[in-house]
Amino acid sequence: AQSVAQPEDQVNVAEGNPLTVKCTYSVSGNPYLFWYVQYPNRGLQFLLKYITGDNLVKGSYGFEAEFNKSQTSFHLKKPSALVSDSALYFCAVSGNTGGFKTIFGAGTRLFVKA
Amino acid sequence: DAMVIQNPRYQVTQFGKPVTLSCSQTLNHNVMYWYQQKSSQAPKLLFHYYDKDFNNEADTPDNFQSRRPNTSFCFLDIRSPGLGDAAMYLCATSIRGPQETQYFGPGTRLLVL
Repeated sequence: AQSVAQPEDQVNVAEGNPLTVKCTYSVSGNPYLFWYVQYPNRGLQFLLKYITGDNLVKGSYGFEAEFNKSQTSFHLKKPSALVSDSALYFCAVSGNTGGFKTIFGAGTRLFVKA
Repeated sequence: DAMVIQNPRYQVTQFGKPVTLSCSQTLNHNVMYWYQQKSSQAPKLLFHYYDKDFNNEADTPDNFQSRRPNTSFCFLDIRSPGLGDAAMYLCATSIRGPQETQYFGPGTRLLVL
């Protein structure tokens, strides 16, 4: 069965500092991994995804994520946080044997302080 | 701009009174999804359509049904809403397979009185 874990409910970081939002996954076969961001009372917005190829994936708004197969992780990173990055971040996984179902993590709320 | 539109953004209904939420897309995507999201928790997939093929998740209550009359539109029908059905309902689309990005609408927040 597919699953994804986001071990931190909340991450606090000062503006200008690097940020990391953690994600680990479990899936049969090769994973498709995604990060989405959600602002208050809005739908989810796509940030980036890993399908195959280079383990370092670059996405929107300066975010990037590194796929680590041995650690089954896909942590989201940004070198310099902005106050406007404050939002709810979801890691998601789907598998090439799991049909169309995408499993979302519980979400991590990011607070960036000015 | 191509997009996913959900109407209404806020819906108030009474306990047991049927309600329909709508979603439309201009992306011409094959797949349309309905998710339920409670209190900023993880979105939970209710069902999806691949073209006209309907796929219900095993744990989706019978109270929830869906219709997709054409490529552009998809509806979520809640036959007898209970207090526990109050949530944000998200519609999403994707081109086809599980490797594809999902594009989400802004959501409809349902309140059950």
